[in-house]
Amino acid sequence: GAVVSQHPSWVICKSGTSVKIECRSLDFQATTMFWYRQFPKQSLMLMATSNEGSKATYEQGVEKDKFLINHASLTLSTLTVTSAHPEDSSFYICSGQEWVMNTEAFFGQGTRLTVV
Amino acid sequence: GQNIDQPTEMTATEGAIVQINCTYQTSGFNGLFWYQQHAGEAPTFLSYNVLDGLEEKGRFSSFLSRSKGYSYLLLKELQMKDSASYLCAVRFHTGGGNKLTFGTGTQLKVEL
Repeated sequence: GAVVSQHPSWVICKSGTSVKIECRSLDFQATTMFWYRQFPKQSLMLMATSNEGSKATYEQGVEKDKFLINHASLTLSTLTVTSAHPEDSSFYICSGQEWVMNTEAFFGQGTRLTVV
Repeated sequence: GQNIDQPTEMTATEGAIVQINCTYQTSGFNGLFWYQQHAGEAPTFLSYNVLDGLEEKGRFSSFLSRSKGYSYLLLKELQMKDSASYLCAVRFHTGGGNKLTFGTGTQLKVEL
């Protein structure tokens, strides 16, 4: 299957700082990128959907000014957690989908964020 | 909105067969996926159904009935490494494209 490379795998940051997470589609063009958050022992919750070249669509309850998403190219999407707080500590996963194939979405490896 | 239900936990014996059920209510249905997720890792794709019927893939099979809003994942010849969370996910079409919504996951424990 296609590969989505997500970095970093884990990050620890101080409260109040910002963290950027990158997802790159390595062998396909991800016209759509989904960003999920997963708390311990819970399922993946969709945060936002971004289409290349346009603004992201955020799910209800997700602050767009706190979770900045950029999808400037067909192979790169970034999620920036701004002014992080301990309650933002979670597992963040991206998932890329190609418009033409449009069958399954391919997941990145995930980023474990810990805010101290 | 979308609603996906699956059991929280299941336990089975090594070598046995286990069926994990998933029911859903959604508009704009456009496919159902099953993923396996080990703790601390990203989900891995297991199966995809968009038409009614059974899809078989080695030890794993998945069934879909769109009229009933029902799917199951069947795991045969269970192995200890199959202990994981199994996520049912429904793709639905919205005005802005397709979205994938996940169920809460079923934690499967395989015992000797």
